[in-house]
Amino acid sequence: DAMVIQNPRYQVTQFGKPVTLSCSQTLNHNVMYWYQQKSSQAPKLLFHYYDKDFNNEADTPDNFQSRRPNTSFCFLDIRSPGLGDAAMYLCATSTTSGPYEQYFGPGTRLTVT
Amino acid sequence: GQQLNQSPQSMFIQEGEDVSMNCTSSSIFNTWLWYKQDPGEGPVLLIALYKAGELTSNGRLTAQFGITRKDSFLNISASIPSDVGIYFCAGPPLNAGNMLTFGGGTRLMVKP
Repeated sequence: DAMVIQNPRYQVTQFGKPVTLSCSQTLNHNVMYWYQQKSSQAPKLLFHYYDKDFNNEADTPDNFQSRRPNTSFCFLDIRSPGLGDAAMYLCATSTTSGPYEQYFGPGTRLTVT
Repeated sequence: GQQLNQSPQSMFIQEGEDVSMNCTSSSIFNTWLWYKQDPGEGPVLLIALYKAGELTSNGRLTAQFGITRKDSFLNISASIPSDVGIYFCAGPPLNAGNMLTFGGGTRLMVKP
């Protein structure tokens, strides 16, 4: 089945220690998104890629970076995690020009100690 | 920025009851999406609506795209324990391309 896969599902890192979360997709969608979701809140968009074209949300901290080496894979790098970065990180994909449905992966739960 | 007002914020119902939740916006949307999120998982798309007035069902779920294009509702009939989760409405505002705005979510709890 076509899907969005996120690894790992759970990640524990220390305060200030860089961490990388990964996302892969078999849907062959050209748009990929990274969201941060804190407890019981709606997902908050961090950035997205149209193909290799990177688009950062204005309020995404510089501490968050992303890479998309090819259509299938996308990475979220947190350079110096703080306690406030503990959250669920969701990857999603969509096509470029509608329908505007986004398909989400299962998420990575990040804990910062 | 654009906001979607989703209500109720939470519901605690008895198994077998019907459930209704809705989303409203001050602006027009061309698409309404309804997602369900189980604890510790990513949101799963339940229903997508593309035309004003459209009524779409997915099993026990029914959703409608309001004729003003500023609202949508989701109904769940004969609720069961596995309906527990958070339901989000979402949609791209006009001229926002693919970018989704999310409602605040409705947390549904079902008592067996």
